[in-house]
Amino acid sequence: GAVVSQHPSRVICKSGTSVKIECRSLDFQATTMFWYRQFPKQSLMLMATSNEGSKATYEQGVEKDKFLINHASLTLSTLTVTSAHPEDSSFYICSAQPRGTPTDTQYFGPGTRLTVL
Amino acid sequence: AQSVAQPEDQVNVAEGNPLTVKCTYSVSGNPYLFWYVQYPNRGLQFLLKYITGDNLVKGSYGFEAEFNKSQTSFHLKKPSALVSDSALYFCAVRDASSGSARQLTFGSGTQLTVLP
Repeated sequence: GAVVSQHPSRVICKSGTSVKIECRSLDFQATTMFWYRQFPKQSLMLMATSNEGSKATYEQGVEKDKFLINHASLTLSTLTVTSAHPEDSSFYICSAQPRGTPTDTQYFGPGTRLTVL
Repeated sequence: AQSVAQPEDQVNVAEGNPLTVKCTYSVSGNPYLFWYVQYPNRGLQFLLKYITGDNLVKGSYGFEAEFNKSQTSFHLKKPSALVSDSALYFCAVRDASSGSARQLTFGSGTQLTVLP
């Protein structure tokens, strides 16, 4: 149980295009989902926290107009990188916190490798 | 502010030998401490956590970690390393009073290589 999927696992796009990444909790309802960014050989940096049905909370320095987050249901959150540029190339990881569990419980997706040419 | 330090970028150990991956932390209150493992191009997998109680925490795949409050450390250990343990390991901490996983802070990661 407690599986989180991400789609796509890998995407290559041209500069200026938008890319949508999906994060799904497959066998549980997620009150909260988190989006992280990871650069090569570096740690995870939290980008934003999304709660179902409400606006996402962005961390300092993360452009909300650049990284659009939608948490439309208790099992799906999406991250859209708008007008992507090469510096947006990174590994994006989501995690989900099951409904009714302690706030320190989160399950991570397998990540999405974004390459912007 | 809270922080996590993993002083070693890389740890190499021979298969069958004990391994230790170091982690020290800083929080203003009581810590919740976590270890995660990441395989190449994969998300993080939970290994173990310390919330309260026994200082020695046992987790998945034979790993354990010891919470040492006086040294503010939470080192990850395994008595006998396997080649399949080779991966990137992250320590994470949050203040017990913060009330949200949003406050989780990750260390920079330690690449563990187990040599056959």
